Amino acid sequence: ETGVTQTPRHLVMGMTNKKSLKCEQHLGHNAMYWYKQSAKKPLELMFVYSLEERVENNSVPSRFSPECPNSSHLFLHLHTLQPEDSALYLCASSQDGQLYEQYFGPGTRLTVT
Amino acid sequence: AQKITQTQPGMFVQEKEAVTLDCTYDTSDPSYGLFWYKQPSSGEMIFLIYQGSYDQQNATEGRYSLNFQKARKSANLVISASQLGDSAMYFCAMREDSGAGSYQLTFGKGTKLSVIP
Repeated sequence: ETGVTQTPRHLVMGMTNKKSLKCEQHLGHNAMYWYKQSAKKPLELMFVYSLEERVENNSVPSRFSPECPNSSHLFLHLHTLQPEDSALYLCASSQDGQLYEQYFGPGTRLTVT
Repeated sequence: AQKITQTQPGMFVQEKEAVTLDCTYDTSDPSYGLFWYKQPSSGEMIFLIYQGSYDQQNATEGRYSLNFQKARKSANLVISASQLGDSAMYFCAMREDSGAGSYQLTFGKGTKLSVIP
């Protein structure tokens, strides 16, 4: 596989469920990101990991919990979500460094019922 | 204040014609990068082109070129010879080179481009 992959592509979960989103990058990058894309809103950065350490957490509710076990994998653990959390969740990776472009995965379309 | 402004929610262009998508930005940082991404209906964000604030020449990548006017703080994307496959959402984004937000790409709200056969 090449590029950035995300699984699952679609997820429907109830508010009491626990689920995880997975992201894997095959580009040799050392920074990974989670973004949330809601309808009619700009992309919102949620978390940034650089060299497997979390370097940014943009005031994201604790019901979202990221995990970066190594530089190729990134998870987003979800629990007790709200319907307003329904969105497209995009993972991205880049070389560490401010001006490198980020490469995105196809996203997970999450619906919270 | 918005850091990235895309004033065109939607645009139409005839196939094989050129189209310009507008983007203005706001930063006091002397060093920054500007990016354009394409998002087809499948959802994936595809990197198109990058312009650094210190680059002397406008960036070009195939049919994409970036009309960078630093004094006006604009970074418009020009797509030449439009194709039906260019129909998508287009996002302008900026990354500032200093401070706590140095990892963050700030995105505009996007422009939906529709190419008409």
